[in-house]
Amino acid sequence: EAGVTQSPTHLIKTRGQQVTLRCSPISGHTSVYWYQQALGLGLQFLLWYDEGEERNRGNFPPRFSGRQFPNYSSELNVNALELEDSALYLCASSEDPFLYSNQPQHFGDGTRLSIL
Amino acid sequence: GDSVTQMEGPVTLSEEAFLTINCTYTATGYPSLFWYVQYPGEGLQLLLKATKADDKGSNKGFEATYRKETTSFHLEKGSVQVSDSAVYFCALSDQRNFGNEKLTFGTGTRLTIIP
Repeated sequence: EAGVTQSPTHLIKTRGQQVTLRCSPISGHTSVYWYQQALGLGLQFLLWYDEGEERNRGNFPPRFSGRQFPNYSSELNVNALELEDSALYLCASSEDPFLYSNQPQHFGDGTRLSIL
Repeated sequence: GDSVTQMEGPVTLSEEAFLTINCTYTATGYPSLFWYVQYPGEGLQLLLKATKADDKGSNKGFEATYRKETTSFHLEKGSVQVSDSAVYFCALSDQRNFGNEKLTFGTGTRLTIIP
């Protein structure tokens, strides 16, 4: 069974640019989660999508946004990049939490974003 | 809100030593508890989980017991190996509170095992 896949692996951008990160969940999983792992700040929850809708959002500014497609894959978009956006962005997926309780989240290897 | 407090690292042990990484939590609902491991250059891998009080999660020789009375979920292993060197994260999810489907993580503990 293929795991959660993320692309690209690495990305270098400059301040003010925009970036799109992509995530494909495990087959059969309908929920996708995005987390930011920045140096010194730990793992912070960004967004949760289920069945194409945004279900929950962490404490991040509106320039962080995303969407989920009918095949359950997801994109994370970050506009007006700032230096502090440099981080590892992790995507996770799980089975539908509204149908199956206590399901763990399974993570991809992440996209490392560097802002110059 | 929910929070996880994890033992500060780094932790350095000799091979075959006993490992304990402490984790305590604060939650308003009925959380599920997890340990994840992150090897260098990789994402997080689920190590073990427990979904209710007194449950014991176990995997690859690691164990953790969900203790509601002490709000703890300490990770233990009887004999560590060099290959266990990684960063370990304790996390909780209050999955009975629909709309709150997120993991709250501890700060992570870097473990280094020396031969």
